Amino acid sequence: RKEVEQDPGPFNVPEGATVAFNCTYSNSASQSFFWYRQDCRKEPKLLMSVYSSGNEDGRFTAQLNRASQYISLLIRDSKLSDSATYLCVVNTAAGNKLTFGGGTRVLVKP
Amino acid sequence: EAQVTQNPRYLITVTGKKLTVTCSQNMNHEYMSWYRQDPGLGLRQIYYSMNVEVTDKGDVPEGYKVSRKEKRNFPLILESPSPNQTSLYFCASSLRRGGTDTQYFGPGTRLTVL
Repeated sequence: RKEVEQDPGPFNVPEGATVAFNCTYSNSASQSFFWYRQDCRKEPKLLMSVYSSGNEDGRFTAQLNRASQYISLLIRDSKLSDSATYLCVVNTAAGNKLTFGGGTRVLVKP
Repeated sequence: EAQVTQNPRYLITVTGKKLTVTCSQNMNHEYMSWYRQDPGLGLRQIYYSMNVEVTDKGDVPEGYKVSRKEKRNFPLILESPSPNQTSLYFCASSLRRGGTDTQYFGPGTRLTVL
């Protein structure tokens, strides 16, 4: 089993719709969680950190479910510019290593 | 401008010819790391460094070397490149040790080994 797993997609989303997807992690001692966005073959950029209580940044909402070991990202009112690959990132219990999921591709269409 | 730079951005080389990919950051970050990205495999960490002269292996260190002689620079060395090292490489840095902080990535180096 991979340490961090994501549905590769693509999720085809009509403009204005809501899309949500999850990321599961295998190490129950994982401590920090992030969502990064990557545009086609460009460098990943931090979208948001994921806090235990859940957090929201504009149209984006991230949730953490420690009991089931997954994090989620929800995008409301999708824009064409939201088309990208979303990478789930987990900091392992060792503290010094980040593990990336394979990414979920989202395509927002008019 | 705060940034991570990598050079070269594109490189085509032949098997066995030693090469170095440079990485430099101007943010006084302690933590730096190298990743490779391959289709279907995502980003995998090659090496990381928590500070000057402190480096450690990531998930896929075989065939690579690194050094951290200065805080701002973290070069990736391929002593004898092989075709299976053809990949997209990213350098990243973050402020704090442990990689718990925001990772700032360089623009990537696309390497082809023939």
